This record gives sequence, C-alpha cells and structure tokens, in this order.
Amino acid sequence: DTAVSQTPKYLVTQMGNDKSIKCEQNLGHDTMYWYKQDSKKFLKIMFSYNNKELIINETVPNRFSPKSPDKAHLNLHINSLELGDSAVYFCASSFGLAHSTDTQYFGPGTRLTVL
Amino acid sequence: DQQVKQNSPSLSVQEGRISILNCDYTNSMFDYFLWYKKYPAEGPTFLISISSIKDKNEDGRFTVFLNKSAKHLSLHIVPSQPGDSAVYFCAAQTYSGGGADGLTFGKGTHLIIQP
Repeated sequence: DTAVSQTPKYLVTQMGNDKSIKCEQNLGHDTMYWYKQDSKKFLKIMFSYNNKELIINETVPNRFSPKSPDKAHLNLHINSLELGDSAVYFCASSFGLAHSTDTQYFGPGTRLTVL
Repeated sequence: DQQVKQNSPSLSVQEGRISILNCDYTNSMFDYFLWYKKYPAEGPTFLISISSIKDKNEDGRFTVFLNKSAKHLSLHIVPSQPGDSAVYFCAAQTYSGGGADGLTFGKGTHLIIQP
C-alpha cells in the first residue's frame, strides 16, 4: 500500500549508458516531481509534471527526460550517464498544481551510482 | 546559491528536552515554508508547514515559528523523543508566483535524541 514507490532502489551503471528510474503513485495525485539529492545533500527540484504540462528546472541537462504514460506514473530517463549524475533521486507527488501548497509526498529514493 | 540555509548540520538533544532547529532563507518571494523529516533509506515525509501570513503554527509536539523580517524560521519539538532522531529539512515555496518551482530545500539538520 506504498503511496509513492520507485524502482529500482539502487542502480549501478557505467558511464555512457542510458537508464530509467520508474515512479508510481497510488494517491490519485495530479502532479508529480523528480528531485535530485547530490553529494552535498541538497535536494533540488528537477521537474514537475501536471496534466501534461512539464515544468523543467533550467539547470537540468537535456540528457534527463521525464516520461509520463499516465497520471500515476512519471519515469525518469537519463541518457549518456556521467559521473556527476551519481546521486539519490526522489520522486514526489501532490494533489494540486505544482505551485500550490498541497503537501508533496516523497518516494523512498533511488541511489544511482555511475562508475 | 543557497536560498534556504540550515547552518547546523547536526544537533544533539536529551530525551524530554526541547529541540530547536533553525532555518534561514534569502528569497523574499518565498511565502510558504515546510519542515520535512527523513529517516535513512526513506524519502522525506511532511511534518508541518506555515504560511507567511502567520508567525506560528502548532501541531502536537511540533511548533514552527516564522520571523519574516529576519527571514528566519524555527522548528520546536517538545518534549523530544527517541523516534524524533532523523534528518530535518527546511523547505520553502513561492505560492503566489506564476509557474512551478517546486520546493527549495535546505541541506538538513541531523537531530540526535540522547536517552
């Protein structure tokens, strides 16, 4: 009965590979997000997605692309992985629009290690 | 460019005493503030929030105080319990602004409750 789930929990891969992280929420929320927690422990927003509207943080490289097959899923695809992509990636969801004050619920995180 | 700062990486408090976690912000456009709690290997979970029109919000053992003129907020936990040991993230959001900017997080404070 996990509210926001992510797979895989751990991902170890080589530089240059392409990988995906999946996120699913069963809360009936309208908006989903991806955050990155880097080695300095900062949690930073990467994307928010609501009703087919994608808001991208301008600092995110275009190697990163979110894909939403339906309202309950927002997957993160990463092309040509680089060492600096190593981080913990958190998916989140909220009921309302991304700029509303509705509580965001986070998944458990995916630890990506690029070798 | 840290817009949300938590200057204490860790804090140790005796069980039963008050824990006070501090947070400073620089962006005067922020008008909604939240505290999230995070256990190891889990995603952040929402704890308490406060709108900029208020200076205090209380929920059980948790109280958040906001000093807008000082751009400072604090989380008070009283009495502190062993289960409160976790990393606490301060986060801020622009509620009335156009576009979705997600949550801006601080670096977190690791609270350790000593028995």
